[in-house]
This record gives sequence, structure tokens and C-alpha cells, in this order.
Amino acid sequence: EAEVAQSPRYKITEKSQAVAFWCDPISGHATLYWYRQILGQGPELLVQFQDESVVDDSQLPKDRFSAERLKGVDSTLKIQPAELGDSAMYLCASSLGGVSEQYFGPGTRLTVT
Amino acid sequence: AQRVTQPEKLLSVFKGAPVELKCNYSYSGSPELFWYVQYSRQRLQLLLRHISRESIKGFTADLNKGETSFHLKKPFAQEEDSAMYYCALDAGGTSYGKLTFGQGTILTVHP
Repeated sequence: EAEVAQSPRYKITEKSQAVAFWCDPISGHATLYWYRQILGQGPELLVQFQDESVVDDSQLPKDRFSAERLKGVDSTLKIQPAELGDSAMYLCASSLGGVSEQYFGPGTRLTVT
Repeated sequence: AQRVTQPEKLLSVFKGAPVELKCNYSYSGSPELFWYVQYSRQRLQLLLRHISRESIKGFTADLNKGETSFHLKKPFAQEEDSAMYYCALDAGGTSYGKLTFGQGTILTVHP
């Protein structure tokens, strides 16, 4: 069964360093989401793509976070510079669009020291 | 803005007992409501959605627009139901596909 892939699974970085996460959605899924999940809270949407276009990035801290999906397939989320408060699980999800079921990846757990 | 509240962080029941996980939402429109579940060492996955009106793994959830609630229920809990449960809302319209999650409830079913 097709699954959403994410890498790395774990990342430890020092404050002020740059970090990048990668997501490969299920083939054919036009919509891709990046969520941040702080320990003890539910996932919070950071950015939503429809193909290669950003649909919603209202919760993305644009001074330090960037996301791209250049060919409308896989996606990269970058943080530069990382701050202590960025420590969280970063989840990627994909769907066929609309209110279709979202399929989640395993996540990348980021620890900023 | 929409909001989803799950008042119980932890819920413990014994096997065979009924279980209800509460979810309340605030939104002035007609939302789509979902329950997502994360079992130990597994990915977050869809459990059920209100528009399908299905019973999945014995769970049901009814959307009560008057009380703005979407509680998840199961008459007889099983140990394998132990997991983290998230209620989520899709406001539709310009927010179509954008999910707002609650904080989650950890359900533990004791033998």
C-alpha cells in the first residue's frame, strides 16, 4: 500500500542552524500539507499546496520558514535559523484534494539545542 | 476562526466498558468533522468522518449542530482501542481541505 514518506525521521540541530525536511506524497495526490505538532498538542497546519502552488501558508512563520513543491510532487520544508521553540514533530500529509482523507507520513522529530 | 476542543487529555476505561471521547467545536458555518487516531508507533490515520455515517471498528460519532459536538462512542471498548484520538474540523469554503485539530485524548483500555 502506498504511503507518505518523510526524511529524516529524527533531527537534532543547534540553535541558529539551518534544517530541512523532505516529504514524498502518495503518487497522484495533488494536495500536500505540512503540519507542526508541539508535544501535547494537536497538529497545526503550516502550509498547504495544491500541485506546486501554495494554497494556504497563513500560519507559516515566513521570516524563518520556507516550503516548496517545485514539480508538484515532493516537497521540502526549511527552517533558517532554527530556534529552541521550533522543537516539535513535523508531519507531512497528502490527499486527493478537497475534504478527501489526508494520509500522514511518519513525521520528523526536530530537537533544537 | 474555528476551534476544536477535546476536554479530556486522558481517558481510562476497562475492557468491555462503554467509552465516549468528547469533542466540541466552534464554527459558525457547516463544518465537516473527522476523528483521526494514532496507535502506538503508527501514523496518524483517519478513523471516521461524519458525512460517511459509517461505524468503524465499532466506533460511531454523531454531529450535533445544536450542541456543536461530535463525540466519539463505542459501546464495548477493547484493549486494541488504546491510542491517541484527535477530533478535527474542516471549515470548507476558502479553507477547504484545511484541518483544525483538537489537542487529542489518550485512551487507555485496561484488561
